Amino acid sequence: GQSLEQPSEVTAVEGAIVQINCTYQTSGFYGLSWYQQHDGGAPTFLSYNALDGLEETGRFSSFLSRSDSYGYLLLQELQMKDSASYFCAVSGGYNKLIFGAGTRLAVHP
Amino acid sequence: DAGVTQSPTHLIKTRGQQVTLRCSPISGHKSVSWYQQVLGQGPQFIFQYYEKEERGRGNFPDRFSARQFPNYSSELNVNALLLGDSALYLCASSPWESSPEQYFGPGTRLTVT
Repeated sequence: GQSLEQPSEVTAVEGAIVQINCTYQTSGFYGLSWYQQHDGGAPTFLSYNALDGLEETGRFSSFLSRSDSYGYLLLQELQMKDSASYFCAVSGGYNKLIFGAGTRLAVHP
Repeated sequence: DAGVTQSPTHLIKTRGQQVTLRCSPISGHKSVSWYQQVLGQGPQFIFQYYEKEERGRGNFPDRFSARQFPNYSSELNVNALLLGDSALYLCASSPWESSPEQYFGPGTRLTVT
């Protein structure tokens, strides 16, 4: 089977750094994606890792270790607008994404 | 440029009825995928279509079916609705058959009573 695990909730203050971890068990692994979804909104793409290492996109970075079946999303200089749910997703071939249950991030002043 | 559009926005149906949801991908995108998102959970893959052919199917019963038209728009049909089918149905498009970056529409909120 395929499964992803990520924390259900994370709380942080403005300006801080937060890391959201994701572990996965899946066959046919092509890469790990991260999506952000605000309440009532659509998921939006943040980053993708196909190879081991760190990918940086502005305030957001994503890391993958294929040997450990582990990845994380790092959010720096947190802003109130970063309060949202964050999903890791495994690419299972073609455009089939297997999503985790999501991590709800609350950013406080 | 217009993003992915879906219609209707909200829908209320009764158990046993049938429903058709519609999706228009971003212009130039040939792949459309459908996902079901139950409140508090991540989206679950239902179907992917590319160039009008089914490329993938998730673990959903045969009551769920879909198709893609020559203009790359797509429809998702669900027959014999159950209460458990109540969810947000998301459509995502991408330019290629295999792409980690998918563009999601706002979704159709289906409520089955």
